[in-house]
Parts: sequence; C-alpha cells; structure tokens
Amino acid sequence: DAGVIQSPRHEVTEMGQEVTLRCKPISGHDYLFWYRQTMMRGLELLIYFNNNVPIDDSGMPEDRFSAKMPNASFSTLKIQPSEPRDSAVYFCASSLLAGGTDTQYFGPGTRLTVL
Amino acid sequence: GQNIDQPTEMTATEGAIVQINCTYQTSGFNGLFWYQQHAGEAPTFLSYNVLDGLEEKGRFSSFLSRSKGYSYLLLKELQMKDSASYLCAVRVYNNNDMRFGAGTRLTVKP
Repeated sequence: DAGVIQSPRHEVTEMGQEVTLRCKPISGHDYLFWYRQTMMRGLELLIYFNNNVPIDDSGMPEDRFSAKMPNASFSTLKIQPSEPRDSAVYFCASSLLAGGTDTQYFGPGTRLTVL
Repeated sequence: GQNIDQPTEMTATEGAIVQINCTYQTSGFNGLFWYQQHAGEAPTFLSYNVLDGLEEKGRFSSFLSRSKGYSYLLLKELQMKDSASYLCAVRVYNNNDMRFGAGTRLTVKP
C-alpha cells in the first residue's frame, strides 16, 4: 500500500493568495483527518470526515479555511485568502472504521509558507 | 474541554531507559495512543492502551491508569535513532477524534 499521499510537499505563496492542499487516503479507510502542526500550538485537528461526510469542523480556525471530500479517495483543504500566520505543516491522516486498536496513518505533510 | 500534558523536553543516554509521562483530562475517553515523530517527518504509531496496565512491544512499553488520567511511554536500551518527539494522544467518544499533546522532544546522547 502506498500510504497516505499528500501534495504538494512544499508550498510557498504570498499573502492573499489561494492555497489548495490535496490528500489521497489509504484505500478502504473510512476516516480522513486534516491536522495543522506548528511549534507554538503543536498538532491540531482541523476537520475530519467519515465516509466523505464532514463530522467535526470545530477545529477550522476561520472561514478562510474550507475542506471537501468529493469521493473516498480524495480530499482538499483550501485557504483563501492565505495569511502569514497560516504558515505550518499540514498533515492528512486516514484510518479504518472506528474502534479497537485502529490508529491513524499520517501522510508526509505539506509545509506551507505564506510570505 | 480536553487537556493533555507531557514534558516539553527530555535527555537520556544511549543504552539507558527513559520514561515519558502523559496526563490527560478528557471527556469520553476511548483509548490512548503514543506516536513517534522525527524532525521533518510525519507522526508514526507506537502503541495503544484502552485498559489499565502495561502493553509491551519490544523496546517500547506503554502504561495506562484510567482512574488517574495517566500514561507513560517507556523506552529501553535507548539508541541514537530514538531521538525524536513523542506525542501522547487521546481518542474521545466512540469515534476516531483524537486530541494530541504538545509532544516531548527526546534527545539521546552518546
């Protein structure tokens, strides 16, 4: 299995620009998560989906952030307009149906820098 | 709310044993996970506890006391490659919503 795939791996953009991050979860996983990691705040859950449906988006910081999951194999996280404080590493993770020892598998992350 | 605390940094010597503690205050506890994260990489799963007691996996062990809201990760026979951040995470309610601690940065010295 290829694992969770994220693109791009690095993104540098200017303040005010739109940024789209992409994620392909592990095939067969029903849950998909978007996290943001910074030195100051650690790893924060932004939103997660179950069977392509958003379940909890309480971690999404502002209306500038939006996430979609049009099908079981693809999700996007969009920031519009971007701001310097959005600079962070954004991780996507996926897992099987809830329960037991099931854990989340993380993608390699997208390092976003907003100038 | 959810509150997960762990030390910010620890240092240990190669070949030694180190214990990384985690305390939590959450509602709807449904399992505790430990992840390892090397600098610039993604977190990777180490261990899982949902019942009280010790779970052993090779050089790594994890302990849980639900009544005390306490867990620890024990690393034995430390190797230089164990230098990384160790994240404590709690799963809440009957789903996969996980809350992470800030992580403990472990440095293993020769």
